[in-house]
Amino acid sequence: ETGVTQSPTHLIKTRGQQVTLRCSSQSGHNTVSWYQQALGQGPQFIFQYYREEENGRGNFPPRFSGLQFPNYSSELNVNALELDDSALYLCASSGRSSARRVINEQFFGPGTRLTVL
Amino acid sequence: AQKVTQAQTEISVVEKEDVTLDCVYETRDTTYYLFWYKQPPSGELVFLIRRNSFDEQNEISGRYSWNFQKSTSSFNFTITASQVVDSAVYFCALSFSETSGSRLTFGEGTQLTVNP
Repeated sequence: ETGVTQSPTHLIKTRGQQVTLRCSSQSGHNTVSWYQQALGQGPQFIFQYYREEENGRGNFPPRFSGLQFPNYSSELNVNALELDDSALYLCASSGRSSARRVINEQFFGPGTRLTVL
Repeated sequence: AQKVTQAQTEISVVEKEDVTLDCVYETRDTTYYLFWYKQPPSGELVFLIRRNSFDEQNEISGRYSWNFQKSTSSFNFTITASQVVDSAVYFCALSFSETSGSRLTFGEGTQLTVNP
């Protein structure tokens, strides 16, 4: 069984640029969630995708956007990067049998460390 | 609104000591779920346990045990006979039932250092 994978591992960008982070969900999982973890803090929920549609969003501006593909992999896009966007971005996958809430444990990938200069 | 508080920012113990990590949560939901995750220096969050709000039975898994008390809104985690490999940041998290999907609300984490 393949776990959650993320790419790239590390990324350095400059303010104002755009970035795309990628995530492959664990085999059999159809739901992907993205979290931002600033240094020394707990992860903050960005959004969740289920069956290629956004299915819940945290308190993040519209310049944070995402996609989920038919194979359930996902992308997180951040436009107009700001210095405060520097963080570890974590992707988590979980299973769900329908659009209604099924609370299953979320399995996390190793994260992408983004540095904005 | 949901909130998770982990009042202990850092804990340092000597190997073989028992250590308890505290977690206090706030929620208005009657159905909710509590989690503990471990984050080693590599950064990946490792799932440890999930508890739903209807199950207050304590759980033991090897050297790990969890004490869930709805009356005090607490979900504490105890490591018995700690080992150096237990050194990590531990996060308590809360999720609630909603039709739009589940999201985890994390505490700020507790850095546990186990010294040889």
